[in-house]
Amino acid sequence: DFVMTQSPHSLAVSLGERATINCKSSQSVLSNSRNYLAWFQQKPGQSPKLLIYWASTRNSGVPDRFSGSGSGTEFTLTINNLQAEDVAIYHCQQYHTGPITFGQGTRLEIK
Amino acid sequence: QVHSVQSGAEMKPPGASVKVSCKTSGYIFFNYGIHWVRQAPGQRLEWLGWINTDTGTTQYSQKFQDRVILTRDTSASTVYMELNSLRFEDTALYYCARGQNLGSWIFDFWGQGTPVTVSS
Repeated sequence: DFVMTQSPHSLAVSLGERATINCKSSQSVLSNSRNYLAWFQQKPGQSPKLLIYWASTRNSGVPDRFSGSGSGTEFTLTINNLQAEDVAIYHCQQYHTGPITFGQGTRLEIK
Repeated sequence: QVHSVQSGAEMKPPGASVKVSCKTSGYIFFNYGIHWVRQAPGQRLEWLGWINTDTGTTQYSQKFQDRVILTRDTSASTVYMELNSLRFEDTALYYCARGQNLGSWIFDFWGQGTPVTVSS
């Protein structure tokens, strides 16, 4: 199975600043020039919400403060101009090869 | 507006079975596959399997291959997840999640989750 490892496990960032979350896959998720990597946001008491897919494509309605980058085995979710409503757990997910697997999640708080 | 409404909380003893439903609305049921994902306390999200809502074809994680069954009722736009031979470690929040299209593994809408507790 593809093992997804996120770092850091948690971070605290000041309002208006930038948050950066990393995700590393045990195997490349790149095929046919596409990276099979998604990011989800899960606010307290809520279901996960799709933010980014194909590593860098923002889902409909997601603010452009959120961006995804990376290729192969290493990926980054960047949140610019951090807002209070961004407090959540962020999960990366590979959908390159079954079984679909997720990272362990990164908890983002306000400093 | 896309909605996926799941059935309510369940408590079962070890060895029993549980069946969770996911009723969809706001879109054409046959055009989107449905996945099931669970989240145990303190654990990462875990994928159980997928059902093609048009043909009924399923694909399961090898970990759950022998214990999970996904079915659908096309007349009710509803998908069901049955997990058998429950163990204490199956205690988790179970989600249905819609794929972006019939065969997609990109989850664009999630149900609210169904808590399943395995307890003696």
